[in-house]
Amino acid sequence: KQEVTQIPAALSVPEGENLVLNCSFTDSAIYNLQWFRQDPGKGLTSLLLIQSSQREQTSGRLNASLDKSSGRSTLYIAASQPGDSATYLCAVRTSYGQNFVFGPGTRLSVLP
Amino acid sequence: DVKVTQSSRYLVKRTGEKVFLECVQDMDHENMFWYRQDPGLGLRLIYFSYDVKMKEKGDIPEGYSVSREKKERFSLILESASTNQTSMYLCASSFSGRGAAGNTIYFGEGSWLTVV
Repeated sequence: KQEVTQIPAALSVPEGENLVLNCSFTDSAIYNLQWFRQDPGKGLTSLLLIQSSQREQTSGRLNASLDKSSGRSTLYIAASQPGDSATYLCAVRTSYGQNFVFGPGTRLSVLP
Repeated sequence: DVKVTQSSRYLVKRTGEKVFLECVQDMDHENMFWYRQDPGLGLRLIYFSYDVKMKEKGDIPEGYSVSREKKERFSLILESASTNQTSMYLCASSFSGRGAAGNTIYFGEGSWLTVV
């Protein structure tokens, strides 16, 4: 059974810092991996999606990488801003099903 | 833009009541999902539907049932609400295909349910 973990559980950084969030998964038979942002009390918003055949995706200040063989993905946020404060979740879609398995999330606080 | 709409944002129900949570998507997605989200436990899949009238149990189906009579609508039913079902409930949808359209899962804003 696929399991997804995220480290750290929470992170607090001063504004302007570059930071890395980590996601690990146990079964490398994935179709894709997706990073989401969740603001308090709200639903999830998709940030980046990486297909299993890709190594990375970029959107603005965000860069996500994927190493399928080692079961790892990282989300890099450059020049962090207070508006980046949220919980970030990763999810994998398995190769053999329609479901998405989510990690528990990393709660990020960017201090002004 | 894809829109997944959950009809109720905040509900307070009494123990033993029957509760309906409704979800509608406007993108003709085959797949629809119900998750619950609790602090420290992350998102857990309750039920999943891949077509009208079709459903599959997720990780925590006990105490819940679902209904999908139309493609765009997926309902979560708590037959007899209990206090341990107090949670945030998230509905989502996606295409079933393996092409680009099948890649992303879209979420509603969530429904906060409190059972007293």
